[in-house]
Amino acid sequence: GAVVSQHPSRVICKSGTSVKIECRSLDFQATTMFWYRQFPKQSLMLMATSNEGSKATYEQGVEKDKFLINHASLTLSTLTVTSAHPEDSSFYICSARHTQGAGEYGYTFGSGTRLTVV
Amino acid sequence: AQSVAQPEDQVNVAEGNPLTVKCTYSVSGNPYLFWYVQYPNRGLQFLLKYITGDNLVKGSYGFEAEFNKSQTSFHLKKPSALVSDSALYFCAFSSGGSYIPTFGRGTSLIVHP
Repeated sequence: GAVVSQHPSRVICKSGTSVKIECRSLDFQATTMFWYRQFPKQSLMLMATSNEGSKATYEQGVEKDKFLINHASLTLSTLTVTSAHPEDSSFYICSARHTQGAGEYGYTFGSGTRLTVV
Repeated sequence: AQSVAQPEDQVNVAEGNPLTVKCTYSVSGNPYLFWYVQYPNRGLQFLLKYITGDNLVKGSYGFEAEFNKSQTSFHLKKPSALVSDSALYFCAFSSGGSYIPTFGRGTSLIVHP
């Protein structure tokens, strides 16, 4: 159980275009999802928390107009990188939170999206 | 600030030998501690976690970790390494069950045939 699907796994786009990445919880409802960015050989940097039916909460230093997050249903959150530039090239990973008992949560990660902006 | 530290960027071990990937924590109270593994171009997979109870925690793929409060450590171990264990390993912590884990910088494990 608790499977998360992230799509696409790889995308190459031209500078100035927008790219949408999808994160789906396949067998559970995820009211809260998370988006991370990972630079080569570095840890995951939490970008934002995505809450179903409400606005995302962005971490300090993350441009909300650049990284648009939509969580319109209990099983889908999307991250749109708008007007992408080469410096946005990175590995983006989503995570969905699910309950594991009273007050306990588990976090399942998607397989990631390698974005290359040329 | 609360954190976990992974002092080694890379660990090399021969197949069949025991492996240890180190993690120390600086977290107040009773931390929740985790280990995740990431294979190339993939998301993270949960290995194990410590919340309370027995200090030795057993997880997936034969991995285990020992919570040591006096040394503030939570090292990941496996008695006999496999080449397929080669991956990036992340130690993480949270302040409670409802808080998202915060990750260390990661340690690259390379198991040589």
